[in-house]
Amino acid sequence: AQSVTQPDIHITVSEGASLELRCNYSYGATPYLFWYVQSPGQGLQLLLKYFSGDTLVQGIKGFEAEFKRSQSSFNLRKPSVHWSDAAEYFCAGGDTDKLIFGTGTRLQVFP
Amino acid sequence: GAVVSQHPSWVICKSGTSVKIECRSLDFQATTMFWYRQFPKQSLMLMATSNEGSKATYEQGVEKDKFLINHASLTLSTLTVTSAHPEDSSFYICSAGTGTSDGGAQFFGPGTRLTVL
Repeated sequence: AQSVTQPDIHITVSEGASLELRCNYSYGATPYLFWYVQSPGQGLQLLLKYFSGDTLVQGIKGFEAEFKRSQSSFNLRKPSVHWSDAAEYFCAGGDTDKLIFGTGTRLQVFP
Repeated sequence: GAVVSQHPSWVICKSGTSVKIECRSLDFQATTMFWYRQFPKQSLMLMATSNEGSKATYEQGVEKDKFLINHASLTLSTLTVTSAHPEDSSFYICSAGTGTSDGGAQFFGPGTRLTVL
């Protein structure tokens, strides 16, 4: 069955530290892959997406993600986290128009 | 670009009444619109997928007669929660997609918090 897994439910980092949020997928073929961010009580904002080409994808707000087919992973990274990055992050995969979401990772940033 | 609005942002209603939520793509035409439900501190659960001018496709376990979806145009979809009960209280989020030519990206509205008393 198709699935997207985010192994980390909650991550805490200090402001200025680097960040990596993990995402693994299980699909028959390479799916389209996305990272979204959700602030409390709000909708989701698209950070970046991958569907072909360069496996290192640049997104908004200084985020990037790397697609690794051998590891079935699409991890999100940021070299230096800001306090405003505190939010819920969702990885999602799709092979048509339908997306499957991971369970989310809550990022907490300490000053 | 790719802005999706939802109205209302929050609504409180009495048990047994119906509530309509609107979802609009403001600066693009959406080939497909999606409705999700999100419980506190949980992920998004897809309820249904709708294409303009055709019947919505509901996910397994979602009651078609309770959650009525109308997709009147390429920029507007509505979700009506009929005969709402307290267990229907949730955060409802819509999204609009531009199709697989854009890698299947969906753009999300800000969500509607429904509280049924």
